[in-house]
Amino acid sequence: GAGVSQSPSNKVTEKGKDVELRCDPISGHTALYWYRQSLGQGLEFLIYFQGNSAPDKSGLPSDRFSAERTGGSVSTLTIQRTQQEDSAVYLCASSSRQGMNIQYFGAGTRLSVL
Amino acid sequence: GENVEQHPSTLSVQEGDSAVIKCTYSDSASNYFPWYKQELGKGPQLIIDIRSNVGEKKDQRIAVTLNKTAKHFSLHITETQPEDSAVYFCAASTGTYKYIFGTGTRLKVLA
Repeated sequence: GAGVSQSPSNKVTEKGKDVELRCDPISGHTALYWYRQSLGQGLEFLIYFQGNSAPDKSGLPSDRFSAERTGGSVSTLTIQRTQQEDSAVYLCASSSRQGMNIQYFGAGTRLSVL
Repeated sequence: GENVEQHPSTLSVQEGDSAVIKCTYSDSASNYFPWYKQELGKGPQLIIDIRSNVGEKKDQRIAVTLNKTAKHFSLHITETQPEDSAVYFCAASTGTYKYIFGTGTRLKVLA
């Protein structure tokens, strides 16, 4: 089956604009994660969704960042009024509740804010 | 708070030599330790993992060792090949959904 799919693969925007990044998890995976990877850095946790439970938003860096997951499947990460420091690769991962919750990653969206 | 330190940040080895990457974690409740490989332009891919009830795990040229007392674990790649060149991330988890990732090691295998 298909892996985690993210779109777009690249996004260039102007400072102050809003952007939406999409993640389509592996079919049947109930858990979904968003991470941010800045140039040369590790993976910074942003938000976690699990089924119908309230999401863990503890990693969102500011109130300009938000995410939703509709129907327990596709997720959208929205960044409002983008800033240059938002430039990074945004990675999505999904996992099953079974086992040790192994996370499977998409290829990411490279966001460049000019 | 929880932290995972990873060393070195960059590593260059000659093809055929071994490579070792080390990680140290802070949360003694951590019980699951995956390693991910990220090739250029791609997302991280799980290459091997280890649970806290074992000290070592091997998969062909890749092995991971865990020392719970010292709270560190290591990735060993033997007989390195050019296709092993990538960024490697370690992570630690207490068995919940949250992984704490290291900052990554850029491995270059020189032909």
